[in-house]
Amino acid sequence: AQSVAQPEDQVNVAEGNPLTVKCTYSVSGNPYLFWYVQYPNRGLQFLLKYITGDNLVKGSYGFEAEFNKSQTSFHLKKPSALVSDSALYFCAVRSYTGGFKTIFGAGTRLFVKA
Amino acid sequence: EAGVAQSPRYKIIEKRQSVAFWCNPISGHATLYWYQQILGQGPKLLIQFQNNGVVDDSQLPKDRFSAERLKGVDSTLKIQPAKLEDSAVYLCASSLGRASGSYEQYFGPGTRLTVT
Repeated sequence: AQSVAQPEDQVNVAEGNPLTVKCTYSVSGNPYLFWYVQYPNRGLQFLLKYITGDNLVKGSYGFEAEFNKSQTSFHLKKPSALVSDSALYFCAVRSYTGGFKTIFGAGTRLFVKA
Repeated sequence: EAGVAQSPRYKIIEKRQSVAFWCNPISGHATLYWYQQILGQGPKLLIQFQNNGVVDDSQLPKDRFSAERLKGVDSTLKIQPAKLEDSAVYLCASSLGRASGSYEQYFGPGTRLTVT
């Protein structure tokens, strides 16, 4: 069965420092991987995706993520965090298990301190 | 480009009552999803439509939940009768779908349901 894990409930980082939000997955076959962000009182927004090709993908708001097939990970990164990056981040994976299905991780709350 | 529209934004009902949610996806998006998001958890897929056909409803509690997407555009999700554990945010999302090779989903603002 496919699964997505976000091992940290919360990540705290100081403004200007680099940030990493972790995601690991377990699927059969080749996964499509996504990151979404949920700001307070707003819907989920698509940030970036990995389908194929370059393992480092760039997305909105200066975020990027690195696909690591051997470690089955897709960590979200940003070189310099902003207070406005504080939000709830979800990793999602789409793969074929008796049909194409997308499942979401439980989410990681990012708190950036000024 | 207009986003995914949902209504109502908030709903409070008593257990055993019925409720319906409406979703209008982004124009041209073939795939429509309904998710349930319980506080502190990630979204859980309830049902997925490709145009007006159901692709996946394996996690839909069919004894009380139903959904339809007539004409392959708008969709409604109904709960009848509601239980206390149905209290959650119900999210609608859409994507271009398989034909485009573009699978990222675009979400509406959600409907927050409270069952008392």
